[in-house]
Amino acid sequence: EPEVTQTPSHQVTQMGQEVILRCVPISNHLYFYWYRQILGQKVEFLVSFYNNEISEKSEIFDDQFSVERPDGSNFTLKIRSTKLEDSAMYFCASWQGTYGYTFGSGTRLTVV
Amino acid sequence: DAKTTQPPSMDCAEGRAANLPCNHSTISGNEYVYWYRQIHSQGPQYIIHGLKNNETNEMASLIITEDRKSSTLILPHATLRDTAVYYCIVREEGGGFKTIFGAGTRLFVKA
Repeated sequence: EPEVTQTPSHQVTQMGQEVILRCVPISNHLYFYWYRQILGQKVEFLVSFYNNEISEKSEIFDDQFSVERPDGSNFTLKIRSTKLEDSAMYFCASWQGTYGYTFGSGTRLTVV
Repeated sequence: DAKTTQPPSMDCAEGRAANLPCNHSTISGNEYVYWYRQIHSQGPQYIIHGLKNNETNEMASLIITEDRKSSTLILPHATLRDTAVYYCIVREEGGGFKTIFGAGTRLFVKA
């Protein structure tokens, strides 16, 4: 069964550093998403991406966040200057038009 | 915010059917009911969705009331591996619409 692949599975970074979280969506999917989940809290929508541009973003997705699909396969989330409160699980998802989203297994980001 | 109401937790005996309810009284005519689950800290997993007819797949059945204001997800023979948080979500079908997750129902399947 096709999978959404996320790397790394765990990243530890110093506060103020830039991080890039990587995702390889399912190849024939057209819509891509990033979600995050702070420990013990709900899964929160960050951004959706279609046709090489952001289609919707949440209030969380401020100027510190950016997404891109640099080579037609990878889908990345960049956090420019990480804060302690950015520590969370980050999930990438993709959707092809029929069923529900397919989520990756996540990247656990720890900001110290 | 989520447009659904679910009980925070439920128990089920292994091998028995797990029936997870969801209220969505403000659902609009073009909104579907989706169910996902999240096992421990893994990514959410799509289970099933429907508009107004009952649906069944290899994982579960979805029963939607005639007025569409509530639904029930049925896991016919729950196993210990079905212990998870189950999310009921209403949204329009289409990739351009974000999926909003609520708190869900934490299902404990006990031996």
